[in-house]
Amino acid sequence: GQNIDQPTEMTATEGAIVQINCTYQTSGFNGLFWYQQHAGEAPTFLSYNVLDGLEEKGRFSSFLSRSKGYSYLLLKELQMKDSASYLCAVHLTGGGNKLTFGTGTQLKVEL
Amino acid sequence: DADVTQTPRNRITKTGKRIMLECSQTKGHDRMYWYRQDPGLGLRLIYYSFDVKDINKGEISDGYSVSRQAQAKFSLSLESAIPNQTALYFCATSSGTDGYTFGSGTRLTVV
Repeated sequence: GQNIDQPTEMTATEGAIVQINCTYQTSGFNGLFWYQQHAGEAPTFLSYNVLDGLEEKGRFSSFLSRSKGYSYLLLKELQMKDSASYLCAVHLTGGGNKLTFGTGTQLKVEL
Repeated sequence: DADVTQTPRNRITKTGKRIMLECSQTKGHDRMYWYRQDPGLGLRLIYYSFDVKDINKGEISDGYSVSRQAQAKFSLSLESAIPNQTALYFCATSSGTDGYTFGSGTRLTVV
């Protein structure tokens, strides 16, 4: 089976840094995606990690440790518009290019 | 125009009715997917298709059927809708080596 864990909710202050963690246990692993989803809207792609380490893309960075089954998304210089749900998704092996999603972390950015 | 278009955007239907949700894409991707999203449960895979001749069940296919009418079109049907099928439904496409492009979603309510 597949198991992906991430915190349900987080709150942070505008201008601060926040780290959203994701742990996974899956039967097969190609890589890990992070998506951002605003309420009632479609998820949008943020990052994809295949190899261990940190990948930086502007204010957002994503880290992966395959041996530990662990990833995090780091958001810097938080803005109010970053208030959204952040979805961790494992890219499975076995064909079909299937993704299995965590339940999402609802981030609230406050003044 | 959106790369992945879902219709309708919102639908209210009665228990026992048959309903079809439609998805079309201009990405030229072979792989198409249907997910449902429920609060606290995240995105769950209903069906996916590699091409017109290939349809596969996901983790929650009971009560649903699909049709891949063309490379660009993938529809989801509820043969006899029931209230616990009330959810936000997303269609997604993939080229096979990258993440998904999602449609804007269909909010379905079964009363």
